[in-house]
Amino acid sequence: DSGVTQTPKHLITATGQRVTLRCSPRSGDLSVYWYQQSLDQGLQFLIQYYNGEERAKGNILERFSAQQFPDLHSELNLSSLELGDSALYFCASSVAGQSGGYTFGSGTRLTVV
Amino acid sequence: QQQVKQSPQSLIVQKGGISIINCAYENTAFDYFPWYQQFPGKGPALLIAIRPDVSEKKEGRFTISFNKSAKQFSLHIMDSQPGDSATYFCAASNEGYSTLTFGKGTMLLVSP
Repeated sequence: DSGVTQTPKHLITATGQRVTLRCSPRSGDLSVYWYQQSLDQGLQFLIQYYNGEERAKGNILERFSAQQFPDLHSELNLSSLELGDSALYFCASSVAGQSGGYTFGSGTRLTVV
Repeated sequence: QQQVKQSPQSLIVQKGGISIINCAYENTAFDYFPWYQQFPGKGPALLIAIRPDVSEKKEGRFTISFNKSAKQFSLHIMDSQPGDSATYFCAASNEGYSTLTFGKGTMLLVSP
């Protein structure tokens, strides 16, 4: 157990729908990062939050949004889902300002049908 | 876009052999270079990392070699074991910004 908890582990939904992925960071970590992993694109950085504030944005679609709550858990919202959104979504957490301390969760496998 | 290019895509090595995975980066501001190991059904886990003030770092059977002038770094796995079979990702970051840019990964299979 890495200490980063992601739920659900698997999600199957239809095109056009909206889903929410949840992440609880490792105790003491203030930064949360979301990554999308697909076979052809590898690990793509989506967005980072630090202590409730958006810190950095990567290749995140406008249909996707995220937030980090006061208890530091984070949610990634994916809407108007398309077949191409099927992927593994990983959350990672780290101590503030240190990319060296990334700890990944086990991911959520999203399948859009 | 910041990129980290990783090769090969896949690698088959015999037990006891040396596995070598290479990465190249473009952004000279990168100052932290980790390698992650991922088993099926799991998230990536930090394996070993290096900063550009040294040219080599060794931890057990795993060694990172770093060539700053060529903007390249590599992972060597000595005495490769079947349990090393996994996907390996190189990554890079500018620690001031803390987000990691990953290579596309290398699937390593160590045959018994």
